[in-house]
Amino acid sequence: QKEVEQDPGPLSVPEGAIVSLNCTYSNSAFQYFMWYRQYSRKGPELLMYTYSSGNKEDGRFTAQVDKSSKYISLFIRDSQPSDSATYLCAMSAGTGNQFYFGTGTSLTVIP
Amino acid sequence: NAGVTQTPKFQVLKTGQSMTLQCAQDMNHNSMYWYRQDPGMGLRLIYYSASEGTTDKGEVPNGYNVSRLNKREFSLRLESAAPSQTSVYFCASSFSAIGTNEQFFGPGTRLTVL
Repeated sequence: QKEVEQDPGPLSVPEGAIVSLNCTYSNSAFQYFMWYRQYSRKGPELLMYTYSSGNKEDGRFTAQVDKSSKYISLFIRDSQPSDSATYLCAMSAGTGNQFYFGTGTSLTVIP
Repeated sequence: NAGVTQTPKFQVLKTGQSMTLQCAQDMNHNSMYWYRQDPGMGLRLIYYSASEGTTDKGEVPNGYNVSRLNKREFSLRLESAAPSQTSVYFCASSFSAIGTNEQFFGPGTRLTVL
């Protein structure tokens, strides 16, 4: 079983839609959670970083962590064509422990 | 600041050939990482260096060696390339403490082994 599971999509939505991206995980020790955005033929760039459970909002992006269900989500409001990319979740148990990445969800926002 | 830079951007090798992928960061980060990215597999950690002078194996180290040349540079060497090593390789760095700090990624090296 993989440490982190992520639906690869692809996901296609109209401009302005609310997008929900999700990851599940099996290791209850994970407490650091990240979402990265990766444009085609580029390196991943950090979007959101959360520690432990709860919500974090940054502009049109909201990250949620539910440790009891081992489930994390990234919501994108008012999606834009520039949001078209692959979104990767990543998580870690903490100091000295590597990050484990999901396989990524490919998102296309249609104008 | 250039951030994390990688050379080369593209490379084609024949089975059995060797090569070194170069990575450098100018953010004064202590920790550096090498990942490979394959379709359906996501990013997998090959090796990392928590601080200058130390290196450790990640999830998929077989067939690779690394050198932390100084605080800025971290190289990945394929001694005898195999087709299974065809992948996109990313170098990353973070301020400190693998597992807790944001990692900044380079643009990647696309390697094909024939």
